[in-house]
Parts: sequence; structure tokens; C-alpha cells
Amino acid sequence: EVQLVESGGGLVQPGGSLRLSCAASGFTFSSYSMNWVRQAPGKGLEWVSYISSSSSTIYYADSVKGRFTISRDNAKNSLYLQMNSLRAEDTAVYYCARDEEAGYFDLWGRGTLVTVSS
Amino acid sequence: QSVLTQPPSVSGAPGQRVTISCTGSSSNIGAGYDVHWYQQLPGTAPKLLIYGNSNRPSGVPDRFSGSKSGTSASLAITGLQAEDEADYYCQSYDSSLSGSNVVFGGGTKLTVL
Repeated sequence: EVQLVESGGGLVQPGGSLRLSCAASGFTFSSYSMNWVRQAPGKGLEWVSYISSSSSTIYYADSVKGRFTISRDNAKNSLYLQMNSLRAEDTAVYYCARDEEAGYFDLWGRGTLVTVSS
Repeated sequence: QSVLTQPPSVSGAPGQRVTISCTGSSSNIGAGYDVHWYQQLPGTAPKLLIYGNSNRPSGVPDRFSGSKSGTSASLAITGLQAEDEADYYCQSYDSSLSGSNVVFGGGTKLTVL
């Protein structure tokens, strides 16, 4: 089955760190660029970060630049998001999404909830 | 404030037709970037509904259609059904932004009366 499964979310204090993972299966992970998209409680979708298939190109939203690091391991069919210096406004469900090179996200995971609170 | 503007809510009775607008500017939709639409059912992840302005992925009913003109795009749903009640998001790119330039609309909640 073609799917993405996120993990690693949880409760963390402000200023803390968390590492999210996204396990891909059912397709050739190494052929696709990937993204992280988040959704704060009751809010809309916000794009967070992009990584190309070979990791040669990486982008971040201004809101997370310098604090979050995206990476991938094609041998393990996995995508990661290292989140440091977390703030209350980073509280959200984080989705990994497969990037169809025509510019849309054609496969989404179920998401993992990150709560930043003391 | 989202770069792409959507109405916060729309509603319609079963069987009716509703449209959801997505208004941009000359740096995104008006610049020629494609518009894509996602459906998010309550408590679930977003799902691709329309790609490339008007194309439906396999499995999406033809009750859903998309169009684009100038600096705006629209999603139309005909023969409204109870299971269409969801949040809908448009997505495009914006040349005025740095990095990947991905932008989403603020989302529209569709209520089936």
C-alpha cells in the first residue's frame, strides 16, 4: 500500500527539541521530493519545508528558518524534521507530503501532533 | 493573512451546486502558476482533489471541477452530498516569496444543510 506514516510528535516545553519521522512505503521514495506541512489547532495549512529527492535542494518557511532542519535517508525510505528552539506557535499537527514535481502534494500522511507548552 | 484568499465558509443543500473561490494576485495565480485543491474531511489529513487547475486524480468524482481565470481560481461541487462536508484549501506558488514559494489559501468550510 502506498502510504506515509509520521511519528515522533508529543508534548515539549518551550525552547525544547523534537525530531519527527515520516516512513514511506509502497512507492520509490528516492524518486520524490518531500515536504512538511503543518496545521495549528483550528487553523489552515502552512507549508514548512521542502527537500529534493537527492537532498541537494532544501527550503524552509521564514517562520522556522534557523530552527528546523529537514533531512532524508533514501536507504531507509524515511523523511525527518529536526525541530529546535520550539515555541508555542509551533504547536500543530505536522504532515509529511509527497511532492509531485508539477507542484502539488499528491500523497499525505495522517500527521503527528506537536504540542509546545510548559 | 493568507496570500490566497478564500471565503471562510460556504453552504448548500443536498443536490445543489456550490463554488469556492481562491483569489490571488499577479505574483501567484496571475503569474501563471497552477492552482491545486485539497479536501480535508473532519479529523483527517488533506487529500488532493484537483491538480493543475482542473484535473481530477483517479477516484475523485466528476462532481468536483476546477477552473482558473486571471488572478483567481474556483472549485465547483455539483450534486452536493452530505459526505462533501469538509474544509477545502487552494494551493499555488508565489514568486514574491523566498524558498519553495508554496502558498495555501486560508481554507473554506463547506456545510451541507
